[in-house]
Amino acid sequence: EAGVTQFPSHSVIEKGQTVTLRCDPISGHDNLYWYRRVMGKEIKFLLHFVKESKQDESGMPNNRFLAERTGGTYSTLKVQPAELEDSGVYFCASSLRRGQVGTDTQYFGPGTRLTVL
Amino acid sequence: QQQVKQSPQSLIVQKGGISIINCAYENTAFDYFPWYQQFPGKGPALLIAIRPDVSEKKEGRFTISFNKSAKQFSLHIMDSQPGDSATYFCAARRTNTGNQFYFGTGTSLTVIP
Repeated sequence: EAGVTQFPSHSVIEKGQTVTLRCDPISGHDNLYWYRRVMGKEIKFLLHFVKESKQDESGMPNNRFLAERTGGTYSTLKVQPAELEDSGVYFCASSLRRGQVGTDTQYFGPGTRLTVL
Repeated sequence: QQQVKQSPQSLIVQKGGISIINCAYENTAFDYFPWYQQFPGKGPALLIAIRPDVSEKKEGRFTISFNKSAKQFSLHIMDSQPGDSATYFCAARRTNTGNQFYFGTGTSLTVIP
């Protein structure tokens, strides 16, 4: 079974540019999460989708960040315009629907390392 | 405000030794405490998890000790091996208000042969 995949693995952009990160969750996982780790800090929650609906976006830093999940499958996270403080590793995770066995486990992708210069 | 505090930031252990990583939390509503292991270039992967109704959980060489009254939990790696060298994250979740994890800052473990 394929795991969570993320694209690109690295992205280097100039301040003010736009970047779009993509996440493909494990097939059949209704829950999809975005997290971010700034160097040396904790992995911080950004938002949570259940299928195509945003369940919780309390961790989104500001309105420069826009997340979508098309048809409840893959998700994109767009940063526009990017600022220096947006640099970090962006992780995507997915999990089964609540009520299913094993729903507690979130499976993480390898992350996208974003550098804003 | 950081919900889960983790220490130490880095740890060096001799092969065969015991590695101990500690975490503390404030929110008594947390009801699920996983530990994740991350190797370079990979995403964090679930290692072991515990709920607050038990004080210890063991899976092979990995043990979680949980102290509900002190609001602390720790990961013990027995007979540490060079292949255990990785970054370890503790986390906590409050199930009834959502599925988001609150992570610690991570511990970089190096096991010396």
